[in-house]
Amino acid sequence: EDQVTQSPEALRLQEGESSSLNCSYTVSGLRGLFWYRQDPGKGPEFLFTLYSAGEEKEKERLKATLTKKESFLHITAPKPEDSATYLCAGTGGSYIPTFGRGTSLIVHP
Amino acid sequence: DGGITQSPKYLFRKEGQNVTLSCEQNLNHDAMYWYRQDPGQGLRLIYYSQIVNDFQKGDIAEGYSVSREKKESFPLTVTSAQKNPTAFYLCASSIPSGLTDTQYFGPGTRLTVL
Repeated sequence: EDQVTQSPEALRLQEGESSSLNCSYTVSGLRGLFWYRQDPGKGPEFLFTLYSAGEEKEKERLKATLTKKESFLHITAPKPEDSATYLCAGTGGSYIPTFGRGTSLIVHP
Repeated sequence: DGGITQSPKYLFRKEGQNVTLSCEQNLNHDAMYWYRQDPGQGLRLIYYSQIVNDFQKGDIAEGYSVSREKKESFPLTVTSAQKNPTAFYLCASSIPSGLTDTQYFGPGTRLTVL
């Protein structure tokens, strides 16, 4: 059974304090590892897809990386507007993604 | 603009009622999905459809039904058999078996049982 585990469950940062969110996965035949941002009461917003170990993608203050066992979402010098829940998901041979429970990020000004 | 729309945004259901949640997409995606999201839990798959007139049960299909008569539309009915329907419902679409399986989500419908 495919599994995706995100840590920590919650993270509080001061504005400008860089950190990383972790996504550990056991997905048979990984086709893609996805990161989403979700604001309260809204649908998840797509951020990144990573396909193979060693791949990296960046968008503004966010950088996603992938190894054979985990993915990291690095947040550099975060701002209060980066506060959200970040979801990780992996898709294997079934083409149906398995989602983690998310990391709730709060950035204090 | 291309995207996924869900309606209504908020829905209230009385005990014993069936309610239908709407999901429409104009992204020309073949696959559509319904998820349920509860506080502190990940997204749980209810039903999915990869082509018109075909759909499969997900992990928590009991008490729900769907139809896929058009490529653009994938309505979800929450029946009276669903004992704990209060949740946030998310619809998504994707192009399966393509270069990317990335799912794109709608804004969600919050269902509350009165």
